[in-house]
Amino acid sequence: DTEVTQTPKHLVMGMTNKKSLKCEQHMGHRAMYWYKQKAKKPPELMFVYSYEKLSINESVPSRFSPECPNSSLLNLHLHALQPEDSALYLCASSQGEQVITDTQYFGPGTRLTVL
Amino acid sequence: AQKITQTQPGMFVQEKEAVTLDCTYDTSDPSYGLFWYKQPSSGEMIFLIYQGSYDQQNATEGRYSLNFQKARKSANLVISASQLGDSAMYFCAMREAEGGSYIPTFGRGTSLIVHP
Repeated sequence: DTEVTQTPKHLVMGMTNKKSLKCEQHMGHRAMYWYKQKAKKPPELMFVYSYEKLSINESVPSRFSPECPNSSLLNLHLHALQPEDSALYLCASSQGEQVITDTQYFGPGTRLTVL
Repeated sequence: AQKITQTQPGMFVQEKEAVTLDCTYDTSDPSYGLFWYKQPSSGEMIFLIYQGSYDQQNATEGRYSLNFQKARKSANLVISASQLGDSAMYFCAMREAEGGSYIPTFGRGTSLIVHP
């Protein structure tokens, strides 16, 4: 089973709202990732959790706050977003081994619109 | 310099024909992995195929094969017998051992449209 699930599929929020994106995997993977993707562009890495610890933060604005409650779950808390934050947010997971063969498996994404 | 280059922004192919999507890469690391992903309009990135720098044979997965030419630093994806459902964005990615982060780098992608 190579399934990563994400909820919600679509989200519309105002600039003053607080919302959260959720990601879950049951593959026993120990690395989880958040990516932001604009239309017709490659995904841009935001955060990496390795063994439930934040290992990479790609200089993401503080209005995005990641959380990894356990090895299967990854959240992205959103607060005071800007319209330019509208994008597809993809979650991925991988075994988490520091090897070149470590394959990322992606969820279906959350399409976020900020009004 | 771009680590992964996909020079074809868009490609068109007739159903049932084969198509090659180009990917060249740049690394000085002898140990690296190359990945291809498919992204339909629904948004999910689907892993297709992997090739390691030390693999002697070209990788194959069903209708997908990877034409790996190490000296030319190219890792082209070949899709045989195209189907309408193959219409999607295709991304090439590389994972390097150098630097220790092992975070994949993605190319800009190629949009493939399969005509009936």
